[in-house]
Amino acid sequence: DIQMTQSPSSLSASVGDRVTITCRASQSISSYLNWYQQKPGKAPKLLIYAASSFQSGVPSRFSGSGSGTDFTLTISSLQPEDFATYYCQQTYSTPWTFGQGTKVESK
Amino acid sequence: QVQLQESGPGLVKPSETLSLTCTVSGGSIGTFYWSWIRQPPGKGLEWIGYIYYTGSTNYNPSLKSRVTISVDTSKNQFSLSLSSVTAADTAVYYCARVSGHSYGSHFDYWGQGTLVTVSS
Repeated sequence: DIQMTQSPSSLSASVGDRVTITCRASQSISSYLNWYQQKPGKAPKLLIYAASSFQSGVPSRFSGSGSGTDFTLTISSLQPEDFATYYCQQTYSTPWTFGQGTKVESK
Repeated sequence: QVQLQESGPGLVKPSETLSLTCTVSGGSIGTFYWSWIRQPPGKGLEWIGYIYYTGSTNYNPSLKSRVTISVDTSKNQFSLSLSSVTAADTAVYYCARVSGHSYGSHFDYWGQGTLVTVSS
């Protein structure tokens, strides 16, 4: 199985901050990397697919980059509704696997 | 707008079989792959498997011996069966649509999730 490791596991930030979350794969996954946002009690929501493609309706402050083994999700200016847990996921090979999550909390 | 809704028992006894159904509305189940994902309370996400509308499946090897995913195109539904459950199978179970299968699969529509507790 491909292991996905996110860092940090949690972070504290303020509204307006630039936030960066990293996801590393245990082997190359090309650009088969997705990012999801999950709020408490809710289903995950797709933000970015194929490493850098925007899902329709997602604010432009979210962006993704990377290929191979190292990927980044960036929130350019954190908004109050962005406090949530973020997961990366690889779909390069089955079993599809997720990172452990990064919780973004209010400082 | 595509919508997915999970249904099924919220409580299952140990050693019995967990059965859930996902009903798809606002679009046809045809031409897409469909998946089940679960999340134990307070923990991360685990992919269970997917099914194509033709019935072709792919399961997570960690659950493969106990999992069956099936599809009923006439009802626009797909289902999950997980046998011999234990407390470790207690989780919120989500169904989701898989898009981009040819260029980068991703889950673009999700059900709201249903909590299944395994307890006697």
